[in-house]
Amino acid sequence: NAGVTQTPKFQVLKTGQSMTLQCAQDMNHNSMYWYRQDPGMGLRLIYYSASEGTTDKGEVPNGYNVSRLNKREFSLRLESAAPSQTSVYFCASNDRGSTNEKLFFGSGTQLSVL
Amino acid sequence: QKEVEQNSGPLSVPEGAIASLNCTYSDRGSQSFFWYRQYSGKSPELIMFIYSNGDKEDGRFTAQLNKASQYVSLLIRDSQPSDSATYLCAVRSEGFKTIFGAGTRLFVKA
Repeated sequence: NAGVTQTPKFQVLKTGQSMTLQCAQDMNHNSMYWYRQDPGMGLRLIYYSASEGTTDKGEVPNGYNVSRLNKREFSLRLESAAPSQTSVYFCASNDRGSTNEKLFFGSGTQLSVL
Repeated sequence: QKEVEQNSGPLSVPEGAIASLNCTYSDRGSQSFFWYRQYSGKSPELIMFIYSNGDKEDGRFTAQLNKASQYVSLLIRDSQPSDSATYLCAVRSEGFKTIFGAGTRLFVKA
């Protein structure tokens, strides 16, 4: 049972380069999320998608775009990477409206922007 | 002001003691409250969730919620070295976004 799959696991970019982080879940969840985690900052919500076809900004959306491609897939794009975007990125999903709204996390993407 | 506040620690307790972790939140409309544990280099994993005022117990873990005070806590009884991790408090407000605190690092000394 794969759960939430993120790719790539590691990435190094130069300032100004673009890239897309991919996320897919096989649990038929409605809602999907992108978080970033910096030392001492916990997890900060970048964007989320409550259901297929909708996306909303989280706490730190600047410099990012997202696409909810279908119910399974939610991608995060950095159009022009900056050193401040060096972080660990986590994708997560859950079943909106369930009695247990547990977030299921992917294994993370370590991104370095030089 | 962050929406979810935690003491970053580190909190150090001896093996067998009770570890007490605290969290406050700013949105009175918050509906669901969670504690996640994160080991270094790993993804967060859910250990407790609570929706109603009062206490909820699961094994060695007890979550406490006081909506009037906008306060959530986690007690870990009989702490073990394997409990050493970062504990993240998370809150779901109206809508479907879940916001995390900065986390509290816990060290359990053998």
